[in-house]
Amino acid sequence: EAQVTQNPRYLITVTGKKLTVTCSQNMNHEYMSWYRQDPGLGLRQIYYSMNVEVTDKGDVPEGYKVSRKEKRNFPLILESPSPNQTSLYFCASSLFATTKNIQYFGAGTRLSVL
Amino acid sequence: AQKITQTQPGMFVQEKEAVTLDCTYDTSDPSYGLFWYKQPSSGEMIFLIYQGSYDQQNATEGRYSLNFQKARKSANLVISASQLGDSAMYFCAMRDQPTLNSGGSNYKLTFGKGTLLTVNP
Repeated sequence: EAQVTQNPRYLITVTGKKLTVTCSQNMNHEYMSWYRQDPGLGLRQIYYSMNVEVTDKGDVPEGYKVSRKEKRNFPLILESPSPNQTSLYFCASSLFATTKNIQYFGAGTRLSVL
Repeated sequence: AQKITQTQPGMFVQEKEAVTLDCTYDTSDPSYGLFWYKQPSSGEMIFLIYQGSYDQQNATEGRYSLNFQKARKSANLVISASQLGDSAMYFCAMRDQPTLNSGGSNYKLTFGKGTLLTVNP
């Protein structure tokens, strides 16, 4: 089954404790992206990647890191989480195409930073 | 300027009836894509339907259809024969011309604020 898999689905942590949210897709997609969803602010892009070893900042990259060592994986790293990073996080992937590049989303990761 | 506008914060529909969720967009790019996603209370973001700016026909996917009026810059979602499981938040999104940065082309989606649809039995 074609899918984007995020883990964990739910995470409660404390300020400053490094964490990684994993994202994996089995559709051989080149493009992958991370969004966060917050009430009143909607979905905002954090980082994106066009292919292996090619990443760049989105609209709200502060406090986050990413890596793309393999085509299928695109982990999101919070080196020192803070309460303002409490949010619902989504990973998305799509083919690298200028038309009909449908982005498929993972099921989301609900993060609470205490 | 807001790129995607969903003017209906909430909508109610009776089971088995059709419902239209409104979406207007703003872009100066000739090439763009419009998407609708469904977010149930469990939180996942589910792709429903896509319309490309050059597509001549309105997109359809099962009970979902997209009423694309290019001149009016609107892309309304029509759900026919509503079911109780359709109760969810619905988001309209747009991907316009990818921006070319040091990291390559960014196919960022811009989302509207969403419409909460409630299907009544």
